[in-house]
Amino acid sequence: QSALTQPASVSGSPGQSITISCTGTSSDVGDYNFVSWYQLHPGKAPKLIIFAVSNRPSGVSNRFSGSKSGNTASLTISGLLADDEAVYYCSSYAGTNLVFGGGTKVTVL
Amino acid sequence: VQLVQSGAEVMKPGASVKVSCKASGYTFINYGISWVRQAPGQGLEWLGWINGFNGLTKYPQKFQGRVTITTDTSTSTAYMELRSLRSDDTAVYYCARVGAVVRGVIPHYFDYWGQGTLVTVSS
Repeated sequence: QSALTQPASVSGSPGQSITISCTGTSSDVGDYNFVSWYQLHPGKAPKLIIFAVSNRPSGVSNRFSGSKSGNTASLTISGLLADDEAVYYCSSYAGTNLVFGGGTKVTVL
Repeated sequence: VQLVQSGAEVMKPGASVKVSCKASGYTFINYGISWVRQAPGQGLEWLGWINGFNGLTKYPQKFQGRVTITTDTSTSTAYMELRSLRSDDTAVYYCARVGAVVRGVIPHYFDYWGQGTLVTVSS
């Protein structure tokens, strides 16, 4: 069982926006602004999408945005594209550990 | 930046496995390397990291004593050894470059990842 809770799946049509939640506790997500998000396509190396809650690495589309409220972080993908279909994982610094969510499968309808 | 990992392994329970991760495209000692795994149908799990400059390591409590991460700076290669393998250690193991560290102790994100190495533990 993963330390952070994510919905198992989220879907949307091309061009729509979707939001993936990542719920932790006051010992991880709620206490630190060190939440990151990763995109995993099958058979490919994971890709960093967001770090430190809302920062995008260079080269990552501005269609991806991150935020946090209390113990829940969120990843929003706007203008959904077919290539966004992947599994997304959140992670958070937790003082003496780094914890991950269980992953969310994004399906583009 | 590229991280290229060694090939798939099939191991017996109780054995040890050592996975390598060769880095290129950046100055190896300027960044740490971490290891993360994904068991079938499960989420990601952090196994620990090594500071590329001074070789200091940090492991989560769950893996202390069973995981050892090392580097060979002469070849820009990191290694992860997992001992006393069990069937629930079957997973894809990833190496990843550490983007930043909190208070110099725990990384909080990884900016480049290897392609993954499948380790299967089966009798």
